Amino acid sequence: QQQVKQSPQSLIVQKGGISIINCAYENTAFDYFPWYQQFPGKGPALLIAIRPDVSEKKEGRFTISFNKSAKQFSLHIMDSQPGDSATYFCAALNAGGTSYGKLTFGQGTILTVHP
Amino acid sequence: DVKVTQSSRYLVKRTGEKVFLECVQDMDHENMFWYRQDPGLGLRLIYFSYDVKMKEKGDIPEGYSVSREKKERFSLILESASTNQTSMYLCASSLVRGLSYEQYFGPGTRLTVT
Repeated sequence: QQQVKQSPQSLIVQKGGISIINCAYENTAFDYFPWYQQFPGKGPALLIAIRPDVSEKKEGRFTISFNKSAKQFSLHIMDSQPGDSATYFCAALNAGGTSYGKLTFGQGTILTVHP
Repeated sequence: DVKVTQSSRYLVKRTGEKVFLECVQDMDHENMFWYRQDPGLGLRLIYFSYDVKMKEKGDIPEGYSVSREKKERFSLILESASTNQTSMYLCASSLVRGLSYEQYFGPGTRLTVT
Protein backbone atom coordinates (compact mmCIF):
# COMPACT_ATOMS: atom_id res chain seq x y z
CA GLN A 1 0.00 0.00 0.00
CA GLN A 2 1.58 3.22 -1.20
CA GLN A 3 0.61 5.95 1.23
CA VAL A 4 2.75 8.64 -0.39
CA LYS A 5 2.49 9.12 -4.14
CA GLN A 6 5.20 11.12 -5.90
CA SER A 7 5.29 12.57 -9.40
CA PRO A 8 6.79 12.86 -11.90
CA GLN A 9 9.04 9.83 -12.00
CA SER A 10 11.62 11.79 -13.99
CA LEU A 11 12.10 15.44 -14.81
CA ILE A 12 14.39 17.29 -17.19
CA VAL A 13 14.95 20.99 -16.66
CA GLN A 14 17.23 23.54 -18.26
CA LYS A 15 19.77 25.38 -16.15
CA GLY A 16 18.14 28.36 -14.48
CA GLY A 17 14.65 26.87 -14.69
CA ILE A 18 12.27 25.85 -11.92
CA SER A 19 11.97 22.19 -10.94
CA ILE A 20 8.71 21.11 -9.31
CA ILE A 21 8.10 17.72 -7.73
CA ASN A 22 4.76 16.82 -6.21
CA CYS A 23 3.64 14.43 -3.51
CA ALA A 24 0.24 13.40 -2.18
CA TYR A 25 -0.49 11.48 0.96
CA GLU A 26 -3.47 9.61 2.34
CA ASN A 27 -2.86 9.26 6.06
CA THR A 28 -4.14 12.37 7.84
CA ALA A 29 -2.09 11.44 10.89
CA PHE A 30 1.13 12.36 9.05
CA ASP A 31 2.59 15.51 10.58
CA TYR A 32 6.16 15.75 9.35
CA PHE A 33 7.11 15.94 5.68
CA PRO A 34 10.79 15.82 4.67
CA TRP A 35 12.48 15.76 1.31
CA TYR A 36 15.62 13.72 0.75
CA GLN A 37 18.21 14.17 -1.99
CA GLN A 38 20.29 11.28 -3.32
CA PHE A 39 23.32 11.59 -5.58
CA PRO A 40 24.57 8.57 -7.55
CA GLY A 41 26.55 6.18 -5.37
CA LYS A 42 25.40 7.87 -2.16
CA GLY A 43 22.66 7.32 0.35
CA PRO A 44 19.81 9.84 0.58
CA ALA A 45 20.36 12.91 2.74
CA LEU A 46 17.83 15.25 4.31
CA LEU A 47 17.32 18.36 2.17
CA ILE A 48 14.45 20.22 3.80
CA ALA A 49 11.40 19.40 5.92
CA ILE A 50 8.10 20.97 6.89
CA ARG A 51 5.44 20.51 9.53
CA PRO A 52 1.76 21.13 8.69
CA ASP A 53 1.44 24.24 10.85
CA VAL A 54 3.03 26.27 8.04
CA SER A 55 2.18 26.38 4.35
CA GLU A 56 5.64 27.10 3.04
CA LYS A 57 9.27 26.70 4.04
CA LYS A 58 12.21 28.08 2.14
CA GLU A 59 15.89 27.27 2.42
CA GLY A 60 17.99 28.95 -0.21
CA ARG A 61 16.78 27.84 -3.64
CA PHE A 62 14.64 25.04 -2.19
CA THR A 63 11.04 25.62 -1.10
CA ILE A 64 8.40 23.23 0.23
CA SER A 65 4.80 24.20 -0.36
CA PHE A 66 2.23 22.40 1.78
CA ASN A 67 -1.54 22.15 1.24
CA LYS A 68 -3.11 20.41 4.22
CA SER A 69 -6.67 20.35 2.89
CA ALA A 70 -5.57 18.75 -0.37
CA LYS A 71 -3.10 16.46 1.41
CA GLN A 72 -0.38 17.51 -0.99
CA PHE A 73 3.09 18.98 -0.73
CA SER A 74 5.66 19.90 -3.31
CA LEU A 75 9.34 20.76 -3.68
CA HIS A 76 10.31 23.74 -5.80
CA ILE A 77 13.92 24.23 -6.87
CA MET A 78 14.49 27.73 -8.15
CA ASP A 79 17.32 28.58 -10.56
CA SER A 80 18.03 24.87 -11.04
CA GLN A 81 21.69 23.98 -11.52
CA PRO A 82 23.40 20.92 -13.03
CA GLY A 83 24.65 20.13 -9.52
CA ASP A 84 21.02 19.65 -8.46
CA SER A 85 20.78 16.60 -10.72
CA ALA A 86 19.89 13.82 -8.31
CA THR A 87 17.04 11.61 -7.18
CA TYR A 88 14.57 13.31 -4.85
CA PHE A 89 12.31 11.50 -2.41
CA CYS A 90 9.43 12.95 -0.48
CA ALA A 91 8.44 11.27 2.76
CA ALA A 92 5.94 11.51 5.58
CA LEU A 93 5.86 10.56 9.22
CA ASN A 94 3.35 10.34 12.04
CA ALA A 95 5.34 11.85 14.86
CA GLY A 96 2.86 10.87 17.53
CA GLY A 97 2.67 7.61 19.40
CA THR A 98 5.31 4.96 18.89
CA SER A 99 6.40 5.79 15.37
CA TYR A 100 10.12 5.55 16.23
CA GLY A 101 10.74 8.02 13.45
CA LYS A 102 9.52 5.62 10.78
CA LEU A 103 9.24 7.41 7.43
CA THR A 104 7.01 6.47 4.50
CA PHE A 105 8.74 7.41 1.25
CA GLY A 106 7.41 8.32 -2.17
CA GLN A 107 8.58 6.58 -5.34
CA GLY A 108 11.33 9.08 -6.14
CA THR A 109 11.97 11.57 -8.95
CA ILE A 110 15.10 11.55 -11.07
CA LEU A 111 15.94 15.18 -11.80
CA THR A 112 18.29 16.06 -14.64
CA VAL A 113 19.34 19.68 -15.09
CA HIS A 114 20.89 20.39 -18.48
CA PRO A 115 23.57 23.07 -18.71
CA ASP B 1 29.26 14.13 11.60
CA VAL B 2 27.08 11.05 11.76
CA LYS B 3 28.55 8.15 9.91
CA VAL B 4 26.63 5.10 8.79
CA THR B 5 28.73 2.42 7.17
CA GLN B 6 27.67 -0.71 5.32
CA SER B 7 29.89 -3.74 5.04
CA SER B 8 29.92 -4.03 1.26
CA ARG B 9 29.19 -1.71 -1.67
CA TYR B 10 28.64 -4.58 -4.09
CA LEU B 11 27.74 -8.19 -3.42
CA VAL B 12 27.02 -11.10 -5.75
CA LYS B 13 25.39 -14.20 -4.31
CA ARG B 14 23.84 -17.36 -5.67
CA THR B 15 20.23 -18.39 -5.25
CA GLY B 16 19.71 -20.20 -1.97
CA GLU B 17 22.72 -18.71 -0.21
CA LYS B 18 22.41 -17.11 3.21
CA VAL B 19 23.38 -13.45 2.97
CA PHE B 20 24.38 -11.07 5.74
CA LEU B 21 24.35 -7.30 5.26
CA GLU B 22 25.96 -5.35 8.08
CA CYS B 23 25.36 -1.75 9.11
CA VAL B 24 27.21 0.24 11.76
CA GLN B 25 26.46 3.76 13.02
CA ASP B 26 28.73 5.81 15.23
CA MET B 27 26.33 8.31 16.80
CA ASP B 28 24.60 6.27 19.50
CA HIS B 29 21.26 6.42 17.67
CA GLU B 30 18.41 4.34 19.09
CA ASN B 31 16.63 3.73 15.80
CA MET B 32 18.00 1.84 12.84
CA PHE B 33 16.31 0.92 9.57
CA TRP B 34 16.79 -1.33 6.56
CA TYR B 35 15.31 -0.31 3.20
CA ARG B 36 15.47 -1.64 -0.30
CA GLN B 37 15.53 0.76 -3.22
CA ASP B 38 14.13 -0.25 -6.59
CA PRO B 39 13.49 2.02 -9.60
CA GLY B 40 9.98 3.39 -9.60
CA LEU B 41 9.22 1.96 -6.16
CA GLY B 42 11.22 4.35 -4.00
CA LEU B 43 12.50 3.30 -0.61
CA ARG B 44 10.58 0.50 1.00
CA LEU B 45 11.08 -0.33 4.66
CA ILE B 46 12.04 -3.93 5.38
CA TYR B 47 12.62 -3.88 9.15
CA PHE B 48 13.49 -1.37 11.81
CA SER B 49 14.81 -1.50 15.33
CA TYR B 50 14.23 1.00 18.14
CA ASP B 51 16.54 -0.56 20.72
CA VAL B 52 18.96 -3.42 21.21
CA LYS B 53 17.26 -6.76 20.52
CA MET B 54 14.03 -4.93 19.58
CA LYS B 55 12.73 -5.09 16.03
CA GLU B 56 9.57 -4.47 14.09
CA LYS B 57 8.50 -5.46 10.61
CA GLY B 58 8.29 -2.82 7.97
CA ASP B 59 6.28 -2.92 4.77
CA ILE B 60 8.11 -5.79 3.01
CA PRO B 61 9.62 -8.14 5.63
CA GLU B 62 8.98 -11.40 3.78
CA GLY B 63 12.21 -13.29 3.07
CA TYR B 64 14.26 -11.17 5.47
CA SER B 65 15.22 -11.20 9.13
CA VAL B 66 17.30 -8.83 11.24
CA SER B 67 19.53 -8.84 14.27
CA ARG B 68 20.53 -6.09 16.64
CA GLU B 69 22.76 -7.37 19.40
CA LYS B 70 24.61 -4.07 19.93
CA LYS B 71 23.26 -0.56 19.71
CA GLU B 72 25.59 0.49 16.90
CA ARG B 73 25.10 -2.55 14.67
CA PHE B 74 22.04 -3.69 12.71
CA SER B 75 22.23 -6.72 10.43
CA LEU B 76 19.93 -7.75 7.62
CA ILE B 77 19.77 -11.45 6.84
CA LEU B 78 18.48 -13.13 3.72
CA GLU B 79 17.97 -16.71 4.87
CA SER B 80 17.80 -18.13 1.34
CA ALA B 81 18.53 -15.52 -1.30
CA SER B 82 16.29 -15.39 -4.35
CA THR B 83 16.64 -13.49 -7.62
CA ASN B 84 13.78 -11.16 -6.70
CA GLN B 85 15.92 -9.91 -3.82
CA THR B 86 18.38 -8.37 -6.26
CA SER B 87 18.28 -4.72 -5.24
CA MET B 88 20.01 -1.79 -3.57
CA TYR B 89 19.88 -2.09 0.21
CA LEU B 90 20.15 1.01 2.35
CA CYS B 91 20.66 1.23 6.09
CA ALA B 92 19.74 4.30 8.12
CA SER B 93 19.81 5.46 11.70
CA SER B 94 18.03 8.21 13.58
CA LEU B 95 17.75 9.82 16.96
CA VAL B 96 14.26 11.16 17.54
CA ARG B 97 14.74 14.24 19.66
CA GLY B 98 12.37 17.19 19.85
CA LEU B 99 11.21 18.04 16.36
CA SER B 100 14.08 16.30 14.60
CA TYR B 101 13.38 13.02 12.84
CA GLU B 102 16.31 13.06 10.45
CA GLN B 103 17.47 9.70 9.18
CA TYR B 104 21.13 9.28 8.24
CA PHE B 105 21.79 6.82 5.46
CA GLY B 106 24.72 4.64 4.57
CA PRO B 107 26.00 4.48 0.97
CA GLY B 108 24.08 1.31 0.17
CA THR B 109 24.89 -2.26 -0.83
CA ARG B 110 24.01 -3.34 -4.34
CA LEU B 111 23.14 -7.02 -4.08
CA THR B 112 22.87 -9.24 -7.13
CA VAL B 113 21.44 -12.73 -6.72
CA THR B 114 22.13 -15.05 -9.65
